[in-house]
Amino acid sequence: DAGVTQSPTHLIKTRGQQVTLRCSPKSGHDTVSWYQQALGQGPQFIFQYYEEEERQRGNFPDRFSGHQFPNYSSELNVNALLLGDSALYLCASSLVGLAGANTQYFGPGTRLTVL
Amino acid sequence: SQELEQSPQSLIVQEGKNLTINCTSSKTLYGLYWYKQKYGEGLIFLMMLQKGGEEKSHEKITAKLDEKKQQSSLHITASQPSHAGIYLCGADRNNNNDMRFGAGTRLTVKP
Repeated sequence: DAGVTQSPTHLIKTRGQQVTLRCSPKSGHDTVSWYQQALGQGPQFIFQYYEEEERQRGNFPDRFSGHQFPNYSSELNVNALLLGDSALYLCASSLVGLAGANTQYFGPGTRLTVL
Repeated sequence: SQELEQSPQSLIVQEGKNLTINCTSSKTLYGLYWYKQKYGEGLIFLMMLQKGGEEKSHEKITAKLDEKKQQSSLHITASQPSHAGIYLCGADRNNNNDMRFGAGTRLTVKP
């Protein structure tokens, strides 16, 4: 049973560029959430996708966008990169059943460095 | 400022010693999650608490959620070097997986 996978592992970009990060959820999960974790901080919620739509969003600018595909995998896109976007980007998947929230399982993360 | 306050920020203990990490919220929690993170890696799920007064254990790690559901503690008994890492508490504030995390507690276990 594969867990949450993310690609790429590491990425180096320059200011102003655009980046796409990818996530495959744990088998059987239908919901994907994205988080940004700066060095020494806890993860910050970016947004969540369910049924191919953005269901919730944290306090992040429109430069951050995403997509969920019919197979539940997801992409995170960041446009016009800033130095402050350098962080570990984490993807988490869960199964939202009738009871509401469920435990989120995290991928290994993508380390983005913006120069 | 973080919505969840963790204490201490860092902890260094001798192998075999017990330790406690605390997580406090100013708001009632629908779900309180504990995760462990190795530096620069993903989060590993440890435990989830939902009911006030609930206590769960896994191997040598015990987590409790107080009656008012605003504070949780994580206790490790007879710590080992394998327990080293960053412990994060996360809260589901709205019962819909809208997760907020504390800043984490960095644990070092000296052999």
